[in-house]
Amino acid sequence: QSVLTQPPSVSGAPGQRVTISCTGSSSNIGAGYDVHWYQQFPGTVPKLLIYGNSNRPSGVPDRFSGSKSATSASLAISGLQAEDEADYYCQSYDSSLSGSVFGGGTKLTVL
Amino acid sequence: QLQLQESGPGLVKPSETLSLTCTVSGGAIRSSSYYWGWIRQPPGKGLEWIGNIYYRGNTYYNPSLKSRVTISVDTSKNEFSLKVKSVTAADTALYYCARHFDLMAWFDPWGQGTLVTVSS
Repeated sequence: QSVLTQPPSVSGAPGQRVTISCTGSSSNIGAGYDVHWYQQFPGTVPKLLIYGNSNRPSGVPDRFSGSKSATSASLAISGLQAEDEADYYCQSYDSSLSGSVFGGGTKLTVL
Repeated sequence: QLQLQESGPGLVKPSETLSLTCTVSGGAIRSSSYYWGWIRQPPGKGLEWIGNIYYRGNTYYNPSLKSRVTISVDTSKNEFSLKVKSVTAADTALYYCARHFDLMAWFDPWGQGTLVTVSS
């Protein structure tokens, strides 16, 4: 049971917009700690996708965007492409655990 | 360009100690105010933070693993290490090392990861 809750799977057709939620609590996201997102293709290393809730590292397409509100955060992917099919993880800090926490991951399927 | 590389045995017997090292190249561990972390991923499952270390030796551990985990740093070799004692099959996972910008920040970059299997 992950401290941050993500839907196990989401899907969308090419060109569509999908969102992946990351729900936390008052000791992590709700306490004001930033949320970060990673993209992981099968057999590869997780790649930083969004940091500080809504910032994209250099090289990440602007089709990817992040937001945070209250005790949850969201990753939005617009103009969905087949190459976006991957697992996505959110990460934050939890004050009660005094450390980093990850969401359980969401598998994105492009139909 | 900063790079991290994990190394260590790929097979560990139950009840023994898992030992891994992360070698950092392209930058000095002690030259900046970053933290250095370990994350693991059991086959087919999600990511789990194990712990972090600051170059001065301050450590931070996942409470669920704290009793069995030790992270240390050797700035002269530009590497940091992970030990997990009394391992069981549940410790079988891909182990990643990564730079942690701050205790509350993101991990980047990551090492390639090393698979450790616990089996007799």
